[in-house]
Amino acid sequence: GENVEQHPSTLSVQEGDSAVIKCTYSDSASNYFPWYKQELGKGPQLIIDIRSNVGEKKDQRIAVTLNKTAKHFSLHITETQPEDSAVYFCAARSKDGNKLVFGAGTILRVKS
Amino acid sequence: NAGVTQTPKFQVLKTGQSMTLQCAQDMNHNSMYWYRQDPGMGLRLIYYSASEGTTDKGEVPNGYNVSRLNKREFSLRLESAAPSQTSVYFCASSDRQYGYTFGSGTRLTVV
Repeated sequence: GENVEQHPSTLSVQEGDSAVIKCTYSDSASNYFPWYKQELGKGPQLIIDIRSNVGEKKDQRIAVTLNKTAKHFSLHITETQPEDSAVYFCAARSKDGNKLVFGAGTILRVKS
Repeated sequence: NAGVTQTPKFQVLKTGQSMTLQCAQDMNHNSMYWYRQDPGMGLRLIYYSASEGTTDKGEVPNGYNVSRLNKREFSLRLESAAPSQTSVYFCASSDRQYGYTFGSGTRLTVV
């Protein structure tokens, strides 16, 4: 089955700097890759996603890139702000599957 | 549009007691899921329902049962609660085209 690895497990950046979180997946048939943000005491919330027919997608300060050959995808947050501090999860869904497989999560701390 | 609603938000149980966690979605999604999240850990799938009338085990199903009551509702039951089941439980739903929509969670403590 699908396996998703996520790095780093924790990331501290200075306000205004960029943050990058990387994930690798094992199933080359995976075709959908969402990213979730979980704030303290809340459920995960979808922030951006990308499909396998697209290499990059941007939404204001966040972007996701996908390298199908290498089977990895990354979340990029530019001009980080204290409200970006949260746990971020990547996930992958196989073409023939009905489940998302999640990475272990990254705790992002933005220091002001 | 409420999305995914979970009840209760908090619960304290004594070891051996039973309870049912309720989940309802109003997005007409076919698929629903139950996850648990322990401190410092990621999301672990307990059970899921790909469509009304079907349920399947996830990676940590022991000690739990589920019921897909109808397309909107998916409940999780603990028959005999154990301290190891102290966790935050999240319900989610999906239409398979996009990602999951999660509820706000049920924080369960078993003493």
